[in-house]
Amino acid sequence: GQQLNQSPQSMFIQEGEDVSMNCTSSSIFNTWLWYKQDPGEGPVLLIALYKAGELTSNGRLTAQFGITRKDSFLNISASIPSDVGIYFCAGQLNNAGNMLTFGGGTRLMVKP
Amino acid sequence: DAGITQSPRHKVTETGTPVTLRCHQTENHRYMYWYRQDPGHGLRLIHYSYGVKDTDKGEVSDGYSVSRSKTEDFLLTLESATSSQTSVYFCAIRDAGSDRQHFGDGTRLSIL
Repeated sequence: GQQLNQSPQSMFIQEGEDVSMNCTSSSIFNTWLWYKQDPGEGPVLLIALYKAGELTSNGRLTAQFGITRKDSFLNISASIPSDVGIYFCAGQLNNAGNMLTFGGGTRLMVKP
Repeated sequence: DAGITQSPRHKVTETGTPVTLRCHQTENHRYMYWYRQDPGHGLRLIHYSYGVKDTDKGEVSDGYSVSRSKTEDFLLTLESATSSQTSVYFCAIRDAGSDRQHFGDGTRLSIL
């Protein structure tokens, strides 16, 4: 099946620093989604991207849909302790069921 | 809150026993999904449903069956549980006109 490579696998940063993570695929996707998961909970949708080259912000979060449609990036500016969690990218084709393919996740730890 | 309830939240059982997990939604969403989450693999789709009695396989469907006899409930069954099915299971829902999937809080299943 399709593979999404997400990097880095984990990050340990100082509060106030900016964070970047990315996802690459061997296949093209029509939609990219970024989720955050807190311990003991399900993933929560942060940002959805629908067009190649699209840049979308949600507060301190900014995500981009790569021009090749095979990659996406998520940036978090001025990190705070509540940013701690696991961030997942997911790619979606407009096929039957609109199934998602997920990356392996980036575990973010923030030191106050 | 997308009105999704998963039950049970935790279960420990023995190899060879049947197990059924339930996903209940209150907002009449057409599409429902079952995923499993394992370290390093992100979330992988097991089965999904696009309506009452309409289901299809996902990436890792072997050893699992599903049923949807009414809109609000999507059941995942392990007919004879194996230790490799120890995982955290997430249900998700999606509206027909949306690309966005929203997740429940998960069921942690341990098979000894």
